[in-house]
Amino acid sequence: DTAVSQTPKYLVTQMGNDKSIKCEQNLGHDTMYWYKQDSKKFLKIMFSYNNKELIINETVPNRFSPKSPDKAHLNLHINSLELGDSAVYFCASSQLDREGTDTQYFGPGTRLTVL
Amino acid sequence: AQSVTQPDIHITVSEGASLELRCNYSYGATPYLFWYVQSPGQGLQLLLKYFSGDTLVQGIKGFEAEFKRSQSSFNLRKPSVHWSDAAEYFCAVGPSGGYQKVTFGTGTKLQVIP
Repeated sequence: DTAVSQTPKYLVTQMGNDKSIKCEQNLGHDTMYWYKQDSKKFLKIMFSYNNKELIINETVPNRFSPKSPDKAHLNLHINSLELGDSAVYFCASSQLDREGTDTQYFGPGTRLTVL
Repeated sequence: AQSVTQPDIHITVSEGASLELRCNYSYGATPYLFWYVQSPGQGLQLLLKYFSGDTLVQGIKGFEAEFKRSQSSFNLRKPSVHWSDAAEYFCAVGPSGGYQKVTFGTGTKLQVIP
C-alpha cells in the first residue's frame, strides 16, 4: 500500500543511453512532481503536472521529458544521458487541502548513475 | 524570490540531549513552511508544516517547530533525541494557495552519538 512508488530504485547506465523512470501514486492526488537531488543533497524541482497538465517546468535540458498518462502516473524519460545527470530523482505528489496548503509526499527515490 | 537557509550543514548531538535545527526563510507574504526528514537511502517524510494560526506546530516523532515572523525563522526542536533520529533534515517554504513551487533548503545532517 505504498503511497508514492518509483521504479527502478537503482539505475546504472552508460553515457548516451536513453532511460525512463516511472512514478505512481495511489493517494488520489491531482499534482505530481519530479525533483533532482544532487550529491550535496540539494533538492531542485524539475517538473510538476496537475491533472496531466504541465504547470511547472524549470530550466531543465530538453533531454528530460516528463509524461503523465493519467493523474496517478508521472514518468520521466531522459535522452542522451550525461555524467552530470547522475543524481537521485524523487517523485512527489500533492493535493490542496482544506486550508489551501499543498503538502508534498515523496517517493523513495531513484538513484541514477551514468558511467 | 523565495529562499530557505539552513545555516548548519552538520550537527552532532548526544542521545537524550535536546535538538534545535535552524531554518531561515525569505518570502514576501505569509509563507507555508515545512520540515521534512530523509533517512539514509529513503525519500523525504513530512515532519510538520505551518500555514497559519498557532506559531508552535507539533509534528510526528516528537518534533515541534516555532514560526517567528519577526526573525523569518522556523526552527525545528526535539526535547530528547533518539539514535533513530539520525538523518538529513530539510526545511522548505512555499507560497500559499495553489500548486506553486516549494523551495527546499540545503539540509542539515544530524548525527546522534551514544
